[in-house]
Amino acid sequence: GQNIDQPTEMTATEGAIVQINCTYQTSGFNGLFWYQQHAGEAPTFLSYNVLDGLEEKGRFSSFLSRSKGYSYLLLKELQMKDSASYLCAVRPLSNDYKLSFGAGTTVTVRA
Amino acid sequence: DTEVTQTPKHLVMGMTNKKSLKCEQHMGHRAMYWYKQKAKKPPELMFVYSYEKLSINESVPSRFSPECPNSSLLNLHLHALQPEDSALYLCASSKDRDFQETQYFGPGTRLLVL
Repeated sequence: GQNIDQPTEMTATEGAIVQINCTYQTSGFNGLFWYQQHAGEAPTFLSYNVLDGLEEKGRFSSFLSRSKGYSYLLLKELQMKDSASYLCAVRPLSNDYKLSFGAGTTVTVRA
Repeated sequence: DTEVTQTPKHLVMGMTNKKSLKCEQHMGHRAMYWYKQKAKKPPELMFVYSYEKLSINESVPSRFSPECPNSSLLNLHLHALQPEDSALYLCASSKDRDFQETQYFGPGTRLLVL
């Protein structure tokens, strides 16, 4: 089976930095995805990591350590519109198609 | 263009009704997915189509019947649903089964079964 853990909720102030951690124990590993989902909307793709290291895309960065089964999503210069749920998803080797999602981290940005 | 469209946006149906959810993408993607998402829970995979053939059925009850008429369209036929089937139904697509390919999600259909 797959086990993907991330914190349930985080709160931060506008302009600050927040780091969302994700740990996983899966039967294999074919890459890790981060998605953003605003309430009542579809998940939107943020980042993909398959090799160890940091991937930076503007205000968002994602890090992966395969040996530790660990990833984080870093949100910098927080804006009110960043208030959303952030989903960590792993693609195990056993099934090319299937994404195993974590329960999501709800980030609330306060003024 | 990374858009996946879904209709309708909202659907209310009784337990004896038959309805269909529709999904469309014009990105040339050959893999399409149906997910079910309950409030404050992650999406759960239901079905995967690859090159218009059903590739994965995650033990979904037969009251949900998927159909892929062509490479751009994916339907989900609903019949005799239960109130616990009320959820957000998300369609997604990806280029193919390559592990690097990202899944792009549609806006979803919010379904309420009375």
